[in-house]
Amino acid sequence: EPEVTQTPSHQVTQMGQEVILRCVPISNHLYFYWYRQILGQKVEFLVSFYNNEISEKSEIFDDQFSVERPDGSNFTLKIRSTKLEDSAMYFCASSGRAYEQYFGPGTRLTVT
Amino acid sequence: GQQVMQIPQYQHVQEGEDFTTYCNSSTTLSNIQWYKQRPGGHPVFLIQLVKSGEVKKQKRLTFQFGEAKKNSSLHITATQTTDVGTYFCAGKLGFGNEKLTFGTGTRLTIIP
Repeated sequence: EPEVTQTPSHQVTQMGQEVILRCVPISNHLYFYWYRQILGQKVEFLVSFYNNEISEKSEIFDDQFSVERPDGSNFTLKIRSTKLEDSAMYFCASSGRAYEQYFGPGTRLTVT
Repeated sequence: GQQVMQIPQYQHVQEGEDFTTYCNSSTTLSNIQWYKQRPGGHPVFLIQLVKSGEVKKQKRLTFQFGEAKKNSSLHITATQTTDVGTYFCAGKLGFGNEKLTFGTGTRLTIIP
């Protein structure tokens, strides 16, 4: 069964550093998303991406965040200057026509 | 902004007992989805409800969408240890591939 993959599984970085989280969505999906989940809390929407552009973003997704689809398979989330409060699990998701979203296993980001 | 609340936050049940989680949105939804997240895992799609008053069943799980399309419930009959996890409802305002607004989740633990 096709699945969304994410790398790395765990990223530790120092405050102020840039990080890039990578995702490979399901191959025939057209809609891509990033969500985050602070430990023990609900899943929060960050951004959605379709047809090579952002279709929607939340208040969390400020100028420090950017997304890119550099080739036909990868979908990346970049945080330019990480803050302590960016520590969370970051989930990539993709969907096709049926609208249910398939989530990757997540990248745990720890900012020290 | 849109808020989706779930109650209870936690539920501990004896194996074999029933379990219900309730989801309430501050705004009318076009559809609602339910996801299950095992401890340490990622959200996994369970079902989508679209019509007012809709009821769907998956084996021991019964999902309901309220008449006003602002609330939903998930009922599990005769819980098993494999049902352990956090159950999230997630609402959508449109009918396309818009973002999901996740509820606060109900964490289910089973006492064997």
